[in-house]
Amino acid sequence: ELKVEQNPLFLSMQEGKNYTIYCNYSTTSDRLYWYRQDPGKSLESLFVLLSNGAVKQEGRLMASLDTKARLSTLHITAAVHDLSATYFCAVDPKRKRFGAGTRLTVKP
Amino acid sequence: DTGVSQDPRHKITKRGQNVTFRCDPISEHNRLYWYRQTLGQGPEFLTYFQNEAQLEKSRLLSDRFSAERPKGSFSTLEIQRTEQGDSAMYLCASSLDYYGYTFGSGTRLTVV
Repeated sequence: ELKVEQNPLFLSMQEGKNYTIYCNYSTTSDRLYWYRQDPGKSLESLFVLLSNGAVKQEGRLMASLDTKARLSTLHITAAVHDLSATYFCAVDPKRKRFGAGTRLTVKP
Repeated sequence: DTGVSQDPRHKITKRGQNVTFRCDPISEHNRLYWYRQTLGQGPEFLTYFQNEAQLEKSRLLSDRFSAERPKGSFSTLEIQRTEQGDSAMYLCASSLDYYGYTFGSGTRLTVV
């Protein structure tokens, strides 16, 4: 069965710092998705990575995909408080298997 | 059409009662998905439709759960004889292809 693991599960960081969230998955997938969820809200699509080596950037967030290593990263640059949320990765375009999420808190 | 709509936003029900949730997808989207999310976890796939055909059901979807999409537009998710373990956020999403999922705001179910 496809498993998706994220780490860390909890991340507290200071504003201005950089950090990386990791997403590992257990079987072949050529697509990977990143979502953001604010407390009590639904999921917002951030990135869709469609091929090995894909890199996408939006503001302070950059996502990459290594299908050979079955690994995606979400890099946060110079974090700001507004980035505080839970970030999920997901694979399998038909059914979307989600990781457990990384709860990010950015402190001033 | 501003997005995926779910109704109700919140539902409190007594154990053993039946509940039904509705999802209205983005009008041009032909695929519709249901997920369940419990506190501190990622969404879990329940089922999905392409047009009116239900193409897959997760084993999480017990016999007490049924979903329909009668005319390929809106969908309903019914839970019969609710149990406390059914308490969760039920999320609906729609897409035109496999890339562009749009999630609704969800229905939060509390079984007391």
